[in-house]
Amino acid sequence: AQKITQTQPGMFVQEKEAVTLDCTYDTSDQSYGLFWYKQPSSGEMIFLIYQGSYDEQNATEGRYSLNFQKARKSANLVISASQLGDSAMYFCAMREGDAGGTSYGKLTFGQGTILTVHP
Amino acid sequence: AAGVIQSPRHLIKEKRETATLKCYPIPRHDTVYWYQQGPGQDPQFLISFYEKMQSDKGSIPDRFSAQQFSDYHSELNMSSLELGDSALYFCASSLEGNIQYFGAGTRLSVL
Repeated sequence: AQKITQTQPGMFVQEKEAVTLDCTYDTSDQSYGLFWYKQPSSGEMIFLIYQGSYDEQNATEGRYSLNFQKARKSANLVISASQLGDSAMYFCAMREGDAGGTSYGKLTFGQGTILTVHP
Repeated sequence: AAGVIQSPRHLIKEKRETATLKCYPIPRHDTVYWYQQGPGQDPQFLISFYEKMQSDKGSIPDRFSAQQFSDYHSELNMSSLELGDSALYFCASSLEGNIQYFGAGTRLSVL
């Protein structure tokens, strides 16, 4: 069964506007971590933001914020003030067994969302 | 800041050949992970090492093996290559179970 679901294969946004990329997850663990990675066309995988299941505050990192709704099992990425360089594939990922924000477990990725930023 | 180094960046092999991918984790990181990303796919976990010992294993074919050496670098060995092995192979490293940082990947093409 798919543990991470990203329902938007592609998204378009105008430069300087905000965009939300959706991610829902499925786990029976109480302790888990949620991640977003960016993959530009060059292929590398760049870490953006992390949210632990016990974190009460939504995570923020610069222009990135994570809208964490635990009851809905969703962890949407919000990118504010989009830039042309934000055009890339974005992956949501989950790591089970996170305790206090750490785990040696593997990442399970969603299918990804391709974001295109228009000038 | 030092990042995860993978070599080679690109590799072209024929069917039934062998390939060795290398990974140099961020200094002092204690865990290394290998992932395979097929064309248009999400990355899939292959195998991980904690302090040079195998710690977890995913959907890694028996034709593949990996190890982590005393200097913490890791190698993924792939034998009897098949067309379906063509993919982007990532190595990631982490310290004490924190964020996994990825290398730039090795793009393997099997002809």
